[in-house]
Parts: sequence; C-alpha cells; structure tokens
Amino acid sequence: GNSVTQMEGPVTLSEEAFLTINCTYTATGYPSLFWYVQYPGEGLQLLLKATKADDKGSNKGFEATYRKETTSFHLEKGSVQVSDSAVYFCALLSGGGADGLTFGKGTHLIIQP
Amino acid sequence: DAGITQSPRHKVTETGTPVTLRCHQTENHRYMYWYRQDPGHGLRLIHYSYGVKDTDKGEVSDGYSVSRSKTEDFLLTLESATSSQTSVYFCAISESRDSGNEQFFGPGTRLTVL
Repeated sequence: GNSVTQMEGPVTLSEEAFLTINCTYTATGYPSLFWYVQYPGEGLQLLLKATKADDKGSNKGFEATYRKETTSFHLEKGSVQVSDSAVYFCALLSGGGADGLTFGKGTHLIIQP
Repeated sequence: DAGITQSPRHKVTETGTPVTLRCHQTENHRYMYWYRQDPGHGLRLIHYSYGVKDTDKGEVSDGYSVSRSKTEDFLLTLESATSSQTSVYFCAISESRDSGNEQFFGPGTRLTVL
C-alpha cells in the first residue's frame, strides 16, 4: 500500500535559518506529491505540489522537488520567519485504490525570533 | 478560499450516542472526503464520495457511515460513539480524481466522546 514517512519533530529553528523537512514515500504507480500546512486552530492549506518526476513545486519561498529515484519530496526554505511556525504534512495521491490522500504524520515547526 | 463549511465546529458527547457531522460546499465539486486527525497519525481517510449517492470506504471506516443526497452536502455519522472516535474531523473536496488535483479542506470539527 501507499505510505509517507516524514520527520515528526518538533523542529525548532531560529528566524532566518535554513529549513529542510524530509519526506519519503512508497506508492504504486506514479503518484502526485503535496505539501500541506496547518496553522494553529485551522484546516489544511496546500503549500505546493508536484505531479511528475523532477517537477519542482514552489510557493511562498518554499520548494520541493519530486525525486523518483530516491522516492523523496523534501521541503526546503532558505530563510524561515516566525510566521512559518505551523505543522507541515507531506502527502501523496495515486490513481490506484481509494482516491483520498495518504499523509505523513506531520512535522511541527517552531521558529524562534 | 474554497467554500467549505463544517458543522458543528465543536461537540462533546457521551459514549453510545449517535453523532452526525455535516460538510457543506458551495463549489459544486464532485468529490468529497472525510478524514480524521489524531496525534502521531497525521490524517487518515474515513470515507469518500464520488457523486450523489456514490460513496466508498477509506482506511479507517469501521464505526462510521456516510451519506450524500445532494452535491453540496456530505454527512458523517457515528451510529454509537466511542471514546476512540475522539478526534478532529476534516472534510475535503476536489474537482476531479486527476492525481494532480488539489483537495481543499474545511476548518474541522473537534469531537470529544466522554
């Protein structure tokens, strides 16, 4: 079956630090990959996505590249801000089986001023 | 923002009572989903719908049923709530089943079963 593995944290960084959150996946076929962000007390918002190998998704300074050879989709940002504090979820969607997203467990990111 | 509302937003109930959660959308999207979010598990799919009266089970469907009589409404029912169903429930919608298609999430319902 499908699965997503990501570091759970909490990950604590200082403002302006470089961020990497690792995500690896197992899936049948050729999934699409997503990063969602959840701010405190809110639902999930799509941060970025990539639908095929070597695609790079980017948004709000965040980037992730779909690496089929390493089955990875690591999230990066060059300089984080306090406002980036949130929970980040890596997820995949594949054509086989149920149509729902398969999520990782989430990474709680805390940015200190 | 996608037009998705969930009701109620918070509910406390007792073990053994029936509970119905409602998801309402104004986007006319065909696909609707119910997930639950628990610490250490991320989000897990409960049920989904691919059209009016067309539903199917997800990963954690035991103890839950769903109904969709109109495009805009997707109901999740716990026939007899248990403490293990204490969770935050999220509804999501998408326009198509294309693997690149984004799912939009509602604000969530926090359910506590005592």
